[in-house]
Order: sequence, then C-alpha cells, then structure tokens
Amino acid sequence: GENVEQHPSTLSVQEGDSAVIKCTYSDSASNYFPWYKQELGKGPQLIIDIRSNVGEKKDQRIAVTLNKTAKHFSLHITETQPEDSAVYFCAASTTGANNLFFGTGTRLTVIP
Amino acid sequence: GAGVSQSPSNKVTEKGKDVELRCDPISGHTALYWYRQSLGQGLEFLIYFQGNSAPDKSGLPSDRFSAERTGGSVSTLTIQRTQQEDSAVYLCASSLAPGRYEQYFGPGTRLTVT
Repeated sequence: GENVEQHPSTLSVQEGDSAVIKCTYSDSASNYFPWYKQELGKGPQLIIDIRSNVGEKKDQRIAVTLNKTAKHFSLHITETQPEDSAVYFCAASTTGANNLFFGTGTRLTVIP
Repeated sequence: GAGVSQSPSNKVTEKGKDVELRCDPISGHTALYWYRQSLGQGLEFLIYFQGNSAPDKSGLPSDRFSAERTGGSVSTLTIQRTQQEDSAVYLCASSLAPGRYEQYFGPGTRLTVT
C-alpha cells in the first residue's frame, strides 16, 4: 500500500518568515494530495490540495508543489503569522483506494 | 451549514469494557470514514462506508473493532473488550463522493482506557 513520509516533525519560525514542509509518497498511482491543518482539540481541516495533473497551486499565503517524477510534494506558507501555529498533515490518495494515507504530521510554531 | 459531529467528545473506560462512538456526517455526504489518531502520530484508516455498498474494513486492527452505518447516515464505531492500546482520538470524516474529494473531519472522540 501507499506510504507517506513527512518532514520535519517540528518546525519553528519567526513571524513573517516562510515555512516549508515536505512529504514523499511511494505509490506512483497516487493522484490526489491534500494538506490538513489541525489545531489543538479539533479535527483536521483541509487547507489546500493538489491533483496529479498540475505541478503547483497557490491560495493566498499557502502554496503546494508536486513533483510526480520524484514522488514528493511540499507545502509552503509565506509571511507566517502566530495563528498558523498548528500541526500540519500531508496525505495521498490512490485511484481505487477508499481512504487517505497520512503523513505523521509537522508541528509548526510561529514565534511572535 | 452543520459540519461532522461526534459524540462523546471524551470517553474514559476501564479495560475490558465495550464502548460505542457516534458520528453524524454532513447531510448528503455518501462516503464516511473512521480514522484513529494515536498521540503524536498521523491518522490511521479504520473503515469506510459508501452508500449501500459493503464497507471497506481493511483498516480495522482486530476483530474487537466493528462499525455500522444506519440508513446511510449516522455511524457507530464499537470497540469490544477495550485494551489500553486502544487509547487514542477517533476521528470521523465524510465526503460527497469517495476517493479524491475533500474529506470533512469531525472534532473526534478522545478515548482513554484505564
């Protein structure tokens, strides 16, 4: 089955700086890659996703890039703010699979 | 509109007892998922329901775990003879259609087995 690895496990940045979280996947048939943000005591919330037919997608301060050849995708957050502090999860979905395969999460701390 | 709701939010039970966790998906969502999140870990898939099709139980860790979905809406996850290693946050998600569509998560049920 699919295996998703995520790095780093923790990340601290100064407010205003950029943050980058990277994930790799093993199944070349994976074609949907969402990113979720989870705040303390809450369920994960989708913040951005990308499908395998595009290489980059941007939504305001958040962008995701996908390299299908290398089987990795990354989340980029620019101009970080304290409210960006949370745990971020990447995930992958394969055609024919019913579920998402999640990375182990990155705890992002934005220092004011 | 209303999101995915789960109850209870917290459950403390003694080892060996049975527990039932409930999930109310978003109205109209045909796909429903259960995941388990252990402390500091990612989400582990447990079971998936799609309409009236047979559920995908491939993620259930043992036969002590079971789930049902009544009337294509509310779902209940049952853990029999709970063990300490069952302690985790159990998350439910729903989506309009299976596979590639956004999954909306509930707040989870934190289960503690003492």
